Order: sequence, then structure tokens, then C-alpha cells
Amino acid sequence: GAVVSQHPSRVICKSGTSVKIECRSLDFQATTMFWYRQFPKQSLMLMATSNEGSKATYEQGVEKDKFLINHASLTLSTLTVTSAHPEDSSFYICSAISGGAGDTQYFGPGTRLTVL
Amino acid sequence: DAKTTQPPSMDCAEGRAANLPCNHSTISGNEYVYWYRQIHSQGPQYIIHGLKNNETNEMASLIITEDRKSSTLILPHATLRDTAVYYCIVSPYNTDKLIFGTGTRLQVFP
Repeated sequence: GAVVSQHPSRVICKSGTSVKIECRSLDFQATTMFWYRQFPKQSLMLMATSNEGSKATYEQGVEKDKFLINHASLTLSTLTVTSAHPEDSSFYICSAISGGAGDTQYFGPGTRLTVL
Repeated sequence: DAKTTQPPSMDCAEGRAANLPCNHSTISGNEYVYWYRQIHSQGPQYIIHGLKNNETNEMASLIITEDRKSSTLILPHATLRDTAVYYCIVSPYNTDKLIFGTGTRLQVFP
């Protein structure tokens, strides 16, 4: 199947700093990428939908000014957590699809963010 | 909100078939049934999906009832590496958003 990578796999930062997480589709062009967040022992929660060349669509309750998403190319989307706080500590996972509606989503391995 | 109901946990002996049920009684005509699994601290892995007909691939089989209100994922010969949380998701054909529920935690034991 298609491969999606994330970088970094783990990051620890101080409260108040910003952290950028990259999501790459390695062997296909991703017209759409999604960002999810998962707290311990909970399910994945969709944060936003990212389409190449356009503004991301955020789910209700997700602050777009805090979680900046950029999808500048067909193989790269970035999530920047601005002014991170300990409550932002979580497992962030991206996914990507290559085609149109009904295509399979492929997920990255996730990024573990710890804010001290 | 997730539109599926799954048992929170199941056990299966290694080498036996694992049958994971999912109820999606409010599924719409244009919604697919997707199955993903998540091994601890990893991203979800796609398993299989279907609309009406039963589907089979190298990983699993998907059995969808005729009224499409429920489905069963079958892992024919479970191994210890199949221990994971299994998510059943229904998604409209034209949006591709996946809303994850709580899933079923499958424990395969020796």
C-alpha cells in the first residue's frame, strides 16, 4: 500500500513554544490530507482537512489560529502547534488520500508531542 | 458522532478465526463500511472496505448483511500480531472524512 511518513516521531518542547510536524506522502500525490489527534486510551479525533493549495477546513472546536495547517504541495502537509501548552500533549496522526471520493486513506505513524 | 457500535473488547486464540461485529443500523445508501486497525502507538492501518457485497483481501474478509445494518470483519487465522484496536467506520462516498468510534480491542492469546 501507499506510504505516509511523519516527522518527527517524538518531540518534547517547553510551554509557549511552537512545534511543526510534517506529513509526507512518499509514493503518491495526496490531494487531501487529514490531521487527527489522539489522547491516551481514547479514539482518534479529526482536527482538520487539508487540501493542496487551499485553506484547511477545521472541525468544530479546533482553534485554527492555534493549529496552523499548510498543504503547500501534493506530497507535504504541515501542522504547527503554536504557543503549545501541556494540554496540547497528544499523539498527532496524519492521513492522505490520492484520488477522489471513496479513495482509501493511508495513515502516518504518528507524532508524540509532549509539552513541559 | 460515530455511527457504529462495536463491542469494547474480544479475545481470540491464536490460529482461530476472529469475527469482529459492527452495527451500523443508520447507514445511508451512499456510505461505505471501512475497517481499520491500530496497533499500540502506531497510526491506523487500512484493512478492507465495502458497500454492499462481501469483500475479501489478503488480510481479511468483510461480510455485510443484506440490509447493510451490520457487518463482520473476519481474520481467518489470527496471530499474536493481530492484537490491536479494530475500528469499523461508515463514511459517505463523497467526503472521505473518517469519524472514529471507540473500536474493539482484540486480544489474541497463545
